[in-house]
Amino acid sequence: GENVEQHPSTLSVQEGDSAVIKCTYSDSASNYFPWYKQELGKRPQLIIDIRSNVGEKKDQRIAVTLNKTAKHFSLHITETQPEDSAVYFCAASNTGNQFYFGTGTSLTVIP
Amino acid sequence: ETGVTQSPTHLIKTRGQQVTLRCSSQSGHNTVSWYQQALGQGPQFIFQYYREEENGRGNFPPRFSGLQFPNYSSELNVNALELDDSALYLCASSIGGEQFFGPGTRLTVL
Repeated sequence: GENVEQHPSTLSVQEGDSAVIKCTYSDSASNYFPWYKQELGKRPQLIIDIRSNVGEKKDQRIAVTLNKTAKHFSLHITETQPEDSAVYFCAASNTGNQFYFGTGTSLTVIP
Repeated sequence: ETGVTQSPTHLIKTRGQQVTLRCSSQSGHNTVSWYQQALGQGPQFIFQYYREEENGRGNFPPRFSGLQFPNYSSELNVNALELDDSALYLCASSIGGEQFFGPGTRLTVL
């Protein structure tokens, strides 16, 4: 089955700096890669996703890159703000039937 | 608000008991997935239902079972509860791949 690894497990950045979270996956058949933000005590919220036919996608301060050959994808947050503080999860899916999640990155943005 | 709801919010059971968790999908979503999220971990895929049929299953024992109803609401049943079953249980409804999560049910097994 698919194995998704996520690094780092914790990340602290100064407000205004950039944050990068990286994930690797093992199953070359995976073709959909969403990223979720989960605030304490709340449900995971989809923040951005990318499909395997695209190398990069951007939405305002958030971007995701995908390297299919190396089987890794990354989340980039620019101009970080305190409200970006949360746990971020990457996931990989093949056909949308099963989603495999990383172990999460706890991001703290220091004002 | 995504429209996916779950009940109950919290639940306390003792080892060996059975539990049923419920999920109401977002309107129009015909696929529902269930996840177990232990403290400090990522969600672990339990199974998925599409149009009332199981459509994929993760590495969970048969005492984890589910149902999806014609209105696309869903149940997760867990028999013979174990202490390690204590976790947040999330359902997510989807159509076309993108998932929307419910708020979860916090299950504590004593």
